[in-house]
Amino acid sequence: EVQLVESGGGLIQPGGSLRLSCAASGFGVSYSYMSWVRQAPGKGLEWLSVIYSGGNTHYADSVRGRFSISRDTSKNTLFLQMNTLRAEDTAVYYCARGSSAWYDSWGQGTLVTVSS
Amino acid sequence: EIVMTQSPATLSLSPGERATLSCTASQFISNTLAWYQQKPGQAPRVLIYDVSARAAGIPGRFSGSGSGTDFTLTISSLQSEDFAVYYCQQYNKWPQTFGQGTKVEIK
Repeated sequence: EVQLVESGGGLIQPGGSLRLSCAASGFGVSYSYMSWVRQAPGKGLEWLSVIYSGGNTHYADSVRGRFSISRDTSKNTLFLQMNTLRAEDTAVYYCARGSSAWYDSWGQGTLVTVSS
Repeated sequence: EIVMTQSPATLSLSPGERATLSCTASQFISNTLAWYQQKPGQAPRVLIYDVSARAAGIPGRFSGSGSGTDFTLTISSLQSEDFAVYYCQQYNKWPQTFGQGTKVEIK
């Protein structure tokens, strides 16, 4: 069974850093197309970043240069390193597995709150 | 970036009624469109991909149609579990983008 479990969210001050993790089971993150998607409170979905099986990455303009996606195949885990956090980064962050370019599996999400 | 516009923002219907949700892309996206359902406190779940292909385990009352820039998700007869928010997503060009959502609520 495919499962994704995010962790690492919490309350962080503006300008701070946080690293989110997404532990995968039932498949290998290195063989899949994996993304991070976020949802601000009461708002819609915003795609943030993708890492392909070959290691190539893409980022949304809103996070390029501040966020970095990576994976650890030995731990079968996806990461999102978030730096220089802003209030507008407050959201639930989901990891999702891509099937072609749509997403067939999602984690339950982890809440990141950026506030002083 | 490609802007996805969904309408209406809210759809108020009764169980058993037909729901028709629209999604319009700001430019041609071929057949690279998916629909997701999201219930409160839950992650999105894919319903439809490639405009009209139902994802595994999705009931036949959900169907997708359209081409180019205009797309539709139809729920033929609403069940109680279908009241939720629905999002369309284009994956034709980076960045991938989602519509703002249509809430299907009980009338």
